[in-house]
Amino acid sequence: GAVVSQHPSWVICKSGTSVKIECRSLDFQATTMFWYRQFPKQSLMLMATSNEGSKATYEQGVEKDKFLINHASLTLSTLTVTSAHPEDSSFYICSAGRQGYQETQYFGPGTRLLVL
Amino acid sequence: KQEVTQIPAALSVPEGENLVLNCSFTDSAIYNLQWFRQDPGKGLTSLLLIQSSQREQTSGRLNASLDKSSGRSTLYIAASQPGDSATYLCAVETGANNLFFGTGTRLTVIP
Repeated sequence: GAVVSQHPSWVICKSGTSVKIECRSLDFQATTMFWYRQFPKQSLMLMATSNEGSKATYEQGVEKDKFLINHASLTLSTLTVTSAHPEDSSFYICSAGRQGYQETQYFGPGTRLLVL
Repeated sequence: KQEVTQIPAALSVPEGENLVLNCSFTDSAIYNLQWFRQDPGKGLTSLLLIQSSQREQTSGRLNASLDKSSGRSTLYIAASQPGDSATYLCAVETGANNLFFGTGTRLTVIP
């Protein structure tokens, strides 16, 4: 159990377009979901924390108007990269905290975004 | 398939002690290895990143080593403090940004 999926796994888009990435907990309820990104040869960095039904908390330096996070249900969170630019090209990973298991996060397989 | 193991699963030490956390992985074909800290209910905080060509990285009281050939990494914490209490995770990155995480070591530093 405790599987997290992400869709899409790969996306290539033109500069200026918006891209939505979905993160789903398939067999458990996730009260909290986390979004990370990883640039090549760099560490995985937390972007934001989202709790179901409330606004996401963004880490310092992450533009909340550019990276829109919606956590509409206990099994789904979405990250929308608005007006994407080439510098947004990165690997985006979500994780889900399982209700009642505060210290356990389950990671999705990641989404590779390439902005041309 | 890459498997990452962390030992011990939990560790309690008195304040001021030096300690070592261990991480082992089964496939030595990695791009890098990362150590993270996780506080309860919070996201991961990156501590150290070691590229496959490197043997160690240091940041403050933390020192991480990597022996790729033997599939091992250690995280050394000097002069532990109660604020160091957290779960520590290691993760190895393989091709196509595949990240494999260990199960973590829960550290408690007793004042």
